[in-house]
Order: sequence, then C-alpha cells, then structure tokens
Amino acid sequence: EEQLLESGGEVVRPGGSLRLSCAASGFTFSNYAMTWVRQAPGKGLEWVSSTTGSGRTTYYADSVKGRFTLSRDNSKNTVYLQMNSLRVADTALYYCAKGVATLAPDFFDMWGQGTRVTVSS
Amino acid sequence: IVMTQSPVTLSVSPGERATLSCRASQTVNTRVAWYQHKAGQAPRLLIYGASTRATGIPARFSGSGSGTDFTLTISSPQSEDSAVYYCQQYHQWPPGYTFGQGTKLEIK
Repeated sequence: EEQLLESGGEVVRPGGSLRLSCAASGFTFSNYAMTWVRQAPGKGLEWVSSTTGSGRTTYYADSVKGRFTLSRDNSKNTVYLQMNSLRVADTALYYCAKGVATLAPDFFDMWGQGTRVTVSS
Repeated sequence: IVMTQSPVTLSVSPGERATLSCRASQTVNTRVAWYQHKAGQAPRLLIYGASTRATGIPARFSGSGSGTDFTLTISSPQSEDSAVYYCQQYHQWPPGYTFGQGTKLEIK
C-alpha cells in the first residue's frame, strides 16, 4: 500500500529552525517528484516546494525561498524540508504529496496526513 | 496564475446536483486537478486533466472545462461528500503550482 508519513512538526520560536521528514512506502520513490504543501489555520492549500525524482532540481514558493531547503534521500525513501528563519506566517499544517511524474509533480495523487508547525513566541 | 473558486460556500440537499466553479487568470489548457479535503484527513485527488476521474473516485464526480473556466459537478451528493474542494493548475511550471481558495460544500 502506498503511504506517506510526515514527522518533525512542533512549536518553535520565530527565527528558529525545524526539519520536517516524509517517509514514503509502497512505490518506487525515485521515480516521482515530491512536494510539500501547507495549510495555514483557516486558509487554503499553498504549494511550498517540490523536488524532481533525482533530487537534482528543487523549486520554492517566493514566500519560503532562501529560508527553506528541500532535499531527498532516495536510499531511505525520504524527503526532507529544512526550515530556517521561521516566521509566525509559516505556522501551518505541512503536507507531503507525491507527484505523478519524475521531472515535475503536475498534480498529486497521494498525500500524507500532515505535520503541524507552530511558530510562536 | 491565480485560481478563483466560486462560490465560497455551497449548501445542497442530498441528491441535489452541486456545481463548483474554478476560473484561471490565464489559460491553463486542461491542466487542472480537483481535490476533496475533509477536516483531519489528507486531501484526496478527484479529477485531473480537467475531466479524468482518479482511481476509485465515484462516477457522481465529474469535471469539465478548458482554457480558463472549469467546473466540478457532483451529480447526486451524499452526506460523506461534505468537504472543502480545491482546484489546482499545473500548467505553469516552473515557478510553481497554484490552488484555488476552496469551496466548502455542505450537504444539508
């Protein structure tokens, strides 16, 4: 069964750092681009970052560019989101999502349950 | 590309057709997906390519449209269809994908 399991979310102070993980199972991980999407409280879905199947290319929303770093370890079937210089506006439920292609996610046919990040003083 | 959904909320009776709209600020051809999102659950892919149902999605869900105007129709909604529905364009890549703001569907 295909599955995505996120972890790493917690409460952190503004300016702090956090690393989220997403462990995948049930499919050939390296064949698919992976993405993080977030949902702030009371808001809709916001694309955050994506990486190609190889991990050689990554893309970021302007709101996180220069602060977040997406990486993947295909030997561990895991994708990571390193979040630095966190802001209150980064408070959200972060979802890991599987794309349907290798070079660009296009749309997302599987999602995890999400991990909650709260940035608060 | 900005995706604008309407209405913001929609309330229908069981069995009453529900029509949800999504408009793109510029053409996205048919590169639109629809998702269902229930509170506390992972979003679920319903439709891709504007009109192709994802695996396991009931036939009461259908999508249509091309260019800038898209529609998700639920022909005979059931109580379990109460959720927020999002459209997403994947035409402009990079820099990134965009979602609509969502339509909350309530089955009375």
